[in-house]
Amino acid sequence: EVQLVESGGGLVQPGGSLRLSCAGSGFSFSDYYINWVRQAPGKGLEWVGRMKNKRNIYTTQYVASVKGRFTMSRDDSMNSVYLQMNSLQIEDTAVYYCTRENGYSFDYWGPGALVTVSS
Amino acid sequence: QSALTQPASVSGSPGQSITISCTGTSSDVGGYNYVSWYQQHPGKAPKLVIYDVSYRPSGVSNRLSGSKSDNTASLTISGLQAEDEADYYCSSHTSSATPVFGTGTKVTVL
Repeated sequence: EVQLVESGGGLVQPGGSLRLSCAGSGFSFSDYYINWVRQAPGKGLEWVGRMKNKRNIYTTQYVASVKGRFTMSRDDSMNSVYLQMNSLQIEDTAVYYCTRENGYSFDYWGPGALVTVSS
Repeated sequence: QSALTQPASVSGSPGQSITISCTGTSSDVGGYNYVSWYQQHPGKAPKLVIYDVSYRPSGVSNRLSGSKSDNTASLTISGLQAEDEADYYCSSHTSSATPVFGTGTKVTVL
């Protein structure tokens, strides 16, 4: 069974940092691109970023609003992807989902991790 | 990249059919056959229900169908049931080689 599970969410002050983890199981993790998608309270889905696989040189892409502040990395030996979030702003408050990209869609999602940025 | 435009809400009675539109541009919806749809129940993660415009993943009800014309994609739910009440989001590949989501549509079963 394919599973993705996020961890590392929590409360952080504006300007602070947080690292989210996404652990995958039940599939060949190293073959797939992993994406982060977030959802602010009561709002819609927003694509945050993507980390490609080794065959595509672990290339990363990000939405403009997080470029320079968020960094994705992965450890295929641990079947994990990480999202390092720095200089967090109140508007970064959201549930963060990791999701597996299959072709041009997201076929499996984790349950999400809540990140709250507040003083 | 601007979000794709969806109606905020759509409603229908049990057994009826409803259609949710997803409007973009020639740089996203109109330029690629890579539109997907996601169903999200309250407090839950999104679930893929349609990919590549009109394909259903295994296990998704055949009452859900997708189509596209020019810059607008559509999701149709036929034989509306109480379990279909949820939020629905479209997504498309874009000319920036990144995805973009729609604004989301709340489906209410009357």
